[in-house]
Amino acid sequence: EVQLVESGGGLVKPGGSLRLSCAASGFTFISYAMNWVRQAPGKGLEWVSSISSGSHFSYYADSLKGRFTISRDNTKNALYLQINSLRAEDTAVYYCARDRGTFNESPFDIWGQGTMVTVSS
Amino acid sequence: EIVLTQSPGTLSLSPGERATLSCRASQSISSSYLAWYQQKPGQAPRLLIYGASSRATGIPDRFSGSGSGTDFTLTISRLEPEDFAVYYCQQYGSSPRTFGQGTKVEIK
Repeated sequence: EVQLVESGGGLVKPGGSLRLSCAASGFTFISYAMNWVRQAPGKGLEWVSSISSGSHFSYYADSLKGRFTISRDNTKNALYLQINSLRAEDTAVYYCARDRGTFNESPFDIWGQGTMVTVSS
Repeated sequence: EIVLTQSPGTLSLSPGERATLSCRASQSISSSYLAWYQQKPGQAPRLLIYGASSRATGIPDRFSGSGSGTDFTLTISRLEPEDFAVYYCQQYGSSPRTFGQGTKVEIK
């Protein structure tokens, strides 16, 4: 079964850091570009970051550049998102999602169940 | 960046009725790189339509997509109880890939 499972979310104080993980299974992870998408409570979907299959290219939403770092370990079938200097507005469910085809020119065909990040003092 | 505006915000319909959802882009979307997703409460989004009109794997044929340029439509021909959800459009022809704000289809 094709599956993505996120972990690493939780309650963090403003200014803190967090590393989210996404474990992939059921498909050839190294063949696919991957993404992070977030959704604030009661709000819509916001693309956060993308990384190519071999980690050569990565992109970030302009508003998040500098605080977010996407990475992957193809030997472990894992995707990561490091978030620093957390702010209240980063509170959201963070989803990892797979590119359906060409990097940065594809919809997201497989999604994880999400991991909740809450930033509060 | 391309801004997607979905309408209406909420659609109140009964099971068996036809649903028509609109997604309008601030500029033309290249190659009809427009997708539709369904999201139910507490669940991740699910890809329904890509390339404006191609159904994703396992999606029933009551879901159909159409449109090009700046105007796109998702149609659900006969609403089933499990179709009541929030629907998002997404463009992936231009970076950053952006989503619309969503249309909620609720039971009347």
